[in-house]
Amino acid sequence: KNEVEQSPQNLTAQEGEFITINCSYSVGISALHWLQQHPGGGIVSLFMLSSGKKKHGRLIATINIQEKHSSLHITASHPRDSAVYICAVRWQLGSQGNLIFGKGTKLSVKP
Amino acid sequence: NAGVMQNPRHLVRRRGQEARLRCSPMKGHSHVYWYRQLPEEGLKFMVYLQKENIIDESGMPKERFSAEFPKEGPSILRIQQVVRGDSAAYFCASSPLNRGWKDTEAFFGQGTRLTVV
Repeated sequence: KNEVEQSPQNLTAQEGEFITINCSYSVGISALHWLQQHPGGGIVSLFMLSSGKKKHGRLIATINIQEKHSSLHITASHPRDSAVYICAVRWQLGSQGNLIFGKGTKLSVKP
Repeated sequence: NAGVMQNPRHLVRRRGQEARLRCSPMKGHSHVYWYRQLPEEGLKFMVYLQKENIIDESGMPKERFSAEFPKEGPSILRIQQVVRGDSAAYFCASSPLNRGWKDTEAFFGQGTRLTVV
């Protein structure tokens, strides 16, 4: 069983829709990352969270440490948001950079 | 300020050859991390290095794989005697000297796509 589970695996939305991607994990963590990966491209870090909520433009990330759950929200989605969104956790006993990754959520936003 | 630079972007090797993947961290960064993304699978941690030191290699395969980060020059991930199963995207990330990932976000390179034929 993967220690980091993302849902949904695939998501298709219409432009303008509000999108939520979920991440659940089973280990104690010191931080959680949300990453974005475009097809054939590199990886961009969106957020790093250890508690609470962060916002950057149309993106919002929240984390509930007690429930071992995080969500990534995209407001007013746009076709350029189409990408794979990856949740990754740094577990408490691991060295920095020793992340456990989810398998990703593939988002497609239709115009 | 250039980001994390990886080269080559694409690398084709025949079975049994050696593959060398390079990673130049962001300016001012002295921690480097390597990850592998197999086709249709998630990313997996391989190794964490500081200048001239391997800090955590718990994700490295026991044989054929090695990594270094010399005092001068880029970090190198070396795969000897490549096999088809080594075909994957290899990503490098970096972080600053005094601020590890406890309070900084991650900075990733564009990756090297290795194809073994």
